[in-house]
Amino acid sequence: GNSVTQMEGPVTLSEEAFLTINCTYTATGYPSLFWYVQYPGEGLQLLLKATKADDKGSNKGFEATYRKETTSFHLEKGSVQVSDSAVYFCALPGSARQLTFGSGTQLTVLP
Amino acid sequence: EAGVAQSPRYKIIEKRQSVAFWCNPISGHATLYWYQQILGQGPKLLIQFQNNGVVDDSQLPKDRFSAERLKGVDSTLKIQPAKLEDSAVYLCASSSLTGANPDTQYFGPGTRLTVL
Repeated sequence: GNSVTQMEGPVTLSEEAFLTINCTYTATGYPSLFWYVQYPGEGLQLLLKATKADDKGSNKGFEATYRKETTSFHLEKGSVQVSDSAVYFCALPGSARQLTFGSGTQLTVLP
Repeated sequence: EAGVAQSPRYKIIEKRQSVAFWCNPISGHATLYWYQQILGQGPKLLIQFQNNGVVDDSQLPKDRFSAERLKGVDSTLKIQPAKLEDSAVYLCASSSLTGANPDTQYFGPGTRLTVL
């Protein structure tokens, strides 16, 4: 079945540092890929998605490119802010669109 | 557009007691999901409904968990009797079968359950 392997955390960065959170997947076919974010005390929110190979999803300065060759969907941001502190989850849908999530990466950005 | 609503937000019970959670999805969304998120882990699907029918309940511990969506709108998830290991956040999500984003799920704020 589908599976997601996500970079272990936690990750602590200084403000304006570059962020990469690794995500690799195993799937049948070429499903859409998602990054969800969970801010402290809040529910999961869709951050970005890509629907096919070589697509780049982007939102709020975050980007991720769907790499079929390496089965990866790494999340990047050029300059993080304190407000980006959250838990980030990589996810992909199954045949009935139910999501399989990675274990999550806790990001803390220090001023 | 109103988001996914869940209640209660927090619940503390003792083991062997029963508890119920309620979810109201985004209006018009045919598909409803319940996920369990244990602290430090990603959410895990418990059950998926499409309208009032069950699509996938393979991960639902059916000896103690039950869920229904009788009229194809709101849903209730019940645990009876609860165990210590059921302590988690229970997330409800919904998605539309049509439109530009049928793969996108929208999540509610969750119910944090603590079993003592």
